[in-house]
Amino acid sequence: DAKTTQPTSMDCAEGRAANLPCNHSTISGNEYVYWYRQIHSQGPQYIIHGLKNNETNEMASLIITEDRKSSTLILPHATLRDTAVYYCIVRVVGGGSNYKLTFGKGTLLTVNP
Amino acid sequence: GAGVSQTPSNKVTEKGKYVELRCDPISGHTALYWYRQSLGQGPEFLIYFQGTGAADDSGLPNDRFFAVRPEGSVSTLKIQRTERGDSAVYLCASSQNLRDEQFFGPGTRLTVL
Repeated sequence: DAKTTQPTSMDCAEGRAANLPCNHSTISGNEYVYWYRQIHSQGPQYIIHGLKNNETNEMASLIITEDRKSSTLILPHATLRDTAVYYCIVRVVGGGSNYKLTFGKGTLLTVNP
Repeated sequence: GAGVSQTPSNKVTEKGKYVELRCDPISGHTALYWYRQSLGQGPEFLIYFQGTGAADDSGLPNDRFFAVRPEGSVSTLKIQRTERGDSAVYLCASSQNLRDEQFFGPGTRLTVL
């Protein structure tokens, strides 16, 4: 699986949009971009994933650049409960592939009141 | 519905002892994964099961670690002759199928004295 690069930490004001970047310049054509987050002392929580089109769900939006070498997770209105470590992961999903998740160190997002 | 549960939530043991960590996946999920997370690091893959069989155990660090899933539901991670370096949070996840997003449990914090 391709490696990802994320900033170590970011801050965001409560109620504002949080934009978390991720670089995955060596991503392959059959690799999806996944985002998980981990609130302190809890297990990771799935947020969203995409292949090349932008995706949106009730939690967040995922913007993937046209060349797929980077992406941005957007939390439109951050709350204090969104303070967590956010992991960007690339993963092959398809026949005969390895389905494990390879986590890096992620980005610690701190939402401030 | 009920999520992934793990027991015990905390386990303290002495060096050289044997421990078993249990994971109850979400009902109906065919895939089950074990990860280990050391302080300040992202989760690290250990093994995953599709049904009763271990599809990939390449992340198990050595032969002191073993996992089973005899009936395709509950899984037990077994660690023999524990070492202080085994201290970590052990996370279990399940997914409906291998292609689907993984849902994580709260983890078992193992401390080896």
